[in-house]
Amino acid sequence: AQKVTQAQTEISVVEKEDVTLDCVYETRDTTYYLFWYKQPPSGELVFLIRRNSFDEQNEISGRYSWNFQKSTSSFNFTITASQVVDSAVYFCALSEKNYGQNFVFGPGTRLSVLP
Amino acid sequence: DAGVTQSPTHLIKTRGQHVTLRCSPISGHKSVSWYQQVLGQGPQFIFQYYEKEERGRGNFPDRFSARQFPNYSSELNVNALLLGDSALYLCASSLVGTSGIFEQFFGPGTRLTVL
Repeated sequence: AQKVTQAQTEISVVEKEDVTLDCVYETRDTTYYLFWYKQPPSGELVFLIRRNSFDEQNEISGRYSWNFQKSTSSFNFTITASQVVDSAVYFCALSEKNYGQNFVFGPGTRLSVLP
Repeated sequence: DAGVTQSPTHLIKTRGQHVTLRCSPISGHKSVSWYQQVLGQGPQFIFQYYEKEERGRGNFPDRFSARQFPNYSSELNVNALLLGDSALYLCASSLVGTSGIFEQFFGPGTRLTVL
């Protein structure tokens, strides 16, 4: 069965600090996809990244970076030099190829960046 | 280009009533999925529709149903509303292909309150 765990319920940092959001997943499939979404106070989910199970390269996009490690079933997300606008709930999600567009979301981590 | 649109934005119903929520996908997207997000939790998958056919169903009772129209828009119907159906209902659209699972783009949601 698919499962996504985000052990950090809430994190507070001061602006300009680096912060890492953890995501651990469970799947029995060898082909799967991982995603991160941001949900700001407005409520709309914003897509951040997609990664398939065969691509373990870490990715950097501006202040955002992702660390995918199959050995530990983790797909962690780091924000460097955090800003107040980064305050939101962040969700990690998993989809197995055989289940198509059925995304299993984690419970989310609420990030508060204080000025 | 317009994103995913949903209507209505907010809805208040009483127990036992029926509700219909509507979604228009991004132009060119043929897959539409519905999710329920209860306050403080991650989205839960309800349905996926592609080419007017149901391609996936989550663990929701038969009171929940959906359909997709020839223009790829979709409706979610919920009968015999319960207090526990109060949630944010999210619609997501995506591309579909044999090369993998694509990221979903979410609409702003419909906030349903059942009294």
